[in-house]
Amino acid sequence: AQTVTQSQPEMSVQEAETVTLSCTYDTSESDYYLFWYKQPPSRQMILVIRQEAYKQQNATENRFSVNFQKAAKSFSLKISDSQLGDAAMYFCAYWAGTASKLTFGTGTRLQVTL
Amino acid sequence: DSGVTQTPKHLITATGQRVTLRCSPRSGDLSVYWYQQSLDQGLQFLIQYYNGEERAKGNILERFSAQQFPDLHSELNLSSLELGDSALYFCASSPEYQETQYFGPGTRLLVL
Repeated sequence: AQTVTQSQPEMSVQEAETVTLSCTYDTSESDYYLFWYKQPPSRQMILVIRQEAYKQQNATENRFSVNFQKAAKSFSLKISDSQLGDAAMYFCAYWAGTASKLTFGTGTRLQVTL
Repeated sequence: DSGVTQTPKHLITATGQRVTLRCSPRSGDLSVYWYQQSLDQGLQFLIQYYNGEERAKGNILERFSAQQFPDLHSELNLSSLELGDSALYFCASSPEYQETQYFGPGTRLLVL
């Protein structure tokens, strides 16, 4: 079964600094997708970034980028120039067509301090 | 705003009762997914419907059922409610054969 592990329950970053959230996953599939979702205090689940496993190039969305290491089954999220609005729970998620569901990690709570 | 709507936003009910949660997917999306987010279980997939038919089933209790209607909106029915059913229930939708799911704002269910 696919599993997603986020080993950092909480992280803290100062405003304008850079932070990296870690995620590892386990799968026997060769074709899959990985996602980072943000859940602010409003509890809405917001898609931050996605990565296709067959693409070697790391995905980037403005201040958010990923470091995708397929062989190591690692998928970290880097947030540059952190802003107060980035404070939220961040969930790493995995999707493969064979299962069609998203499998989530347990989340990392990110604090942004002044 | 993801384009996925869920009603109601909040629901407070008593043990043993039955409730219905409603979801309208994004325009054009054929797939609807239901997830439960609780403190002790995290985000768990419950069930998926595609164009009116059940496509995949996760950790959904027998007391729970869902359906997707011809207009593609979906309802999640929770019956014989227990205290442990208190959670945030999300609906998500995606286009045909697409991996990216867009989440609604969720329904917060509190069972007293």
